[in-house]
Amino acid sequence: DGGITQSPKYLFRKEGQNVTLSCEQNLNHDAMYWYRQDPGQGLRLIYYSQIVNDFQKGDIAEGYSVSREKKESFPLTVTSAQKNPTAFYLCASSLQGPNYGYTFGSGTRLTVV
Amino acid sequence: KQEVTQIPAALSVPEGENLVLNCSFTDSAIYNLQWFRQDPGKGLTSLLLIQSSQREQTSGRLNASLDKSSGRSTLYIAASQPGDSATYLCAVMRIKAAGNKLTFGGGTRVLVKP
Repeated sequence: DGGITQSPKYLFRKEGQNVTLSCEQNLNHDAMYWYRQDPGQGLRLIYYSQIVNDFQKGDIAEGYSVSREKKESFPLTVTSAQKNPTAFYLCASSLQGPNYGYTFGSGTRLTVV
Repeated sequence: KQEVTQIPAALSVPEGENLVLNCSFTDSAIYNLQWFRQDPGKGLTSLLLIQSSQREQTSGRLNASLDKSSGRSTLYIAASQPGDSATYLCAVMRIKAAGNKLTFGGGTRVLVKP
């Protein structure tokens, strides 16, 4: 079955620690996205990538970093510079172009301890 | 800047009643609008995708309409069931948005009572 896999499902981060969230897709989609979801604030775009080895900042990129070395993979690192990292993180992908919808993964819940 | 609003934020209906969920957006220059369902603690499941040239899309008990000129979309769910209880989100893809990114509404949380 084709889809997007996010891991881990739950992640705990200590103060000052960097953590990496995994996102893998086997849909042969060109574009991949990372969103953050907070209660009462909806989804906000962190980073996106339309092709391998290229990515762009979204609306709330500060404190985050990404890489796109393979078409299938788009990992997100939450750095210690992110002051309020506790949230639900969602990865999505789509075919290139405006005629296609997004497919989302099942999410990773990150909690600072 | 595109703003997407979903009102009401929460809705409770008895089983069997039809659901009507609203989505409004400020910039009518869009490529498409997508409706999603989200269960608690889960990812988003795509329900319907409406292209800007379309007026509606249907899938089973679901029907979504799009009125681009007035900046509105409505999701109808016929004969609601307790399994329809979830949060429903709409999202638009603006023509001017780089990277074909989506702008989301805040969602409508639906409870269908048995």
